[in-house]
This record gives sequence, structure tokens and C-alpha cells, in this order.
Amino acid sequence: QVQLVESGGGVVQPGRSLRLSCAASGFSFSSYGMNWVRQAPGKGLEWVAVISYDGSKAFYADSVKGRFTISRDNSRNTLSLQTNILRAEDTAVYYCAKDREMWQWPVRGGSDYWGQGTLVTVSS
Amino acid sequence: QSALTQPASVSGSPGQSITISCTGTSSDVGAYKFVSWYQQHPGKAPKLMIYEVTSRPSGVSNRFSGSKSGNTASLTISGLQAEDEADYFCSSYTTSSTHVFGGGTKVTVL
Repeated sequence: QVQLVESGGGVVQPGRSLRLSCAASGFSFSSYGMNWVRQAPGKGLEWVAVISYDGSKAFYADSVKGRFTISRDNSRNTLSLQTNILRAEDTAVYYCAKDREMWQWPVRGGSDYWGQGTLVTVSS
Repeated sequence: QSALTQPASVSGSPGQSITISCTGTSSDVGAYKFVSWYQQHPGKAPKLMIYEVTSRPSGVSNRFSGSKSGNTASLTISGLQAEDEADYFCSSYTTSSTHVFGGGTKVTVL
């Protein structure tokens, strides 16, 4: 069965960095675009970034552009999110989510599997 | 990338039908048929309920249906059940090849 397991969250000071990972299994990871979506405590969902199935292309939300970098290692079935210059407003649970469509780029929406999330807290 | 607009809350009695609206612009909801809906129970990951405006993934009850008119998409839950009580989020692909979510709607079963 499809499994997505995020890791790497924690408490970090403003201005510092954190690298989040998502271990994928149970499907052909290299065939699907992948997303990061976050949710601040008690708030709604916010789309963060998407990467193509081959890792060659990506798009970002304006709120993280220039600070966050999405990447993937298809040989290790792993998705990553490098988060730099963290701010208090980046505090959230970060989910990785698999796109529904195989070989589709750009990803047009409909994430059919989600991980359980990893909490990032930015605080001094 | 402004969030799509959803009502904060919607409620209904068991067996009734409710509709949740999701209003965007001609750059997102109105531009394509790529609107999705997610259900989220407290402490859980979101679950895909509708994609491409009207399509249901395998395993999702046919009590859930989607539609769109202009810049507004809608999710209808018919035959409301206690298990439907959750938060619901719409999402749309945009003309910038990014994605945007709505603020979320809390559904209460009276």
C-alpha cells in the first residue's frame, strides 16, 4: 500500500534552516509529481511547492519562493524540502502529498495520498 | 496567490443535503476544470474527495458531488451522516502553474 512518511521537523530559531524529508513506498515514486502542503496550528491548508516526476521542474508559493527548495531522489524514493531563513509564520505541520496522475506535468491538482505530517516550529 | 473563499461553517441535520461554495477568480477556479476537494478530520491528514471539479476517487461515497459555475465551485454532500462532520478544503490549479487552497469550511452535523 502507498505510504508517505515525513521526518525532519522540530523547533528552530528564526533565520535558521531545516531539511524535511518524505520517504515514499508502495508505488512507482519516479512516475508521479509530488507536493508539499503545510498547515499552521488551527489554520487551513497552504500549498507550498510541487516538483515534477523526474525532478527537473518545480513551482513554489510566493510566500516561500527564494527561501525553500523542493527536490527528490528517485533512486531512494525520497522527497525533500530545504527550508531556509525560517520565519515564525512558517510554523506549521508540513505534509508531503502524491499527485494523482502518472507522468503529468505540470501537476494539475488532486493529491490522492498524504503523509501524516511533520511539525516545524520556528521560535526563539 | 490569494486563498479561495469558502464559508467558515455549514451545518445540517442527518439525511439533509448541504453545499459548500468555493469562490476564486478567472486565474484559478474560473480558468480550468482542475478544482479538488479535501476532507480533513481533526488530527488527520487530508483525504481527496473530488478532483477535476466532478470526479470521485475510488472508494469515496457517491453522496459527495462537485460542480462549478464561472469562478465558483461547489461541493454537495447529500444524505448527511455523522461521519461527514469534518473540515473541507477546496483547491485549484492556477494560471501560474501553482495551486491555491480555500480557507476551509467546518461542517457540523446537528
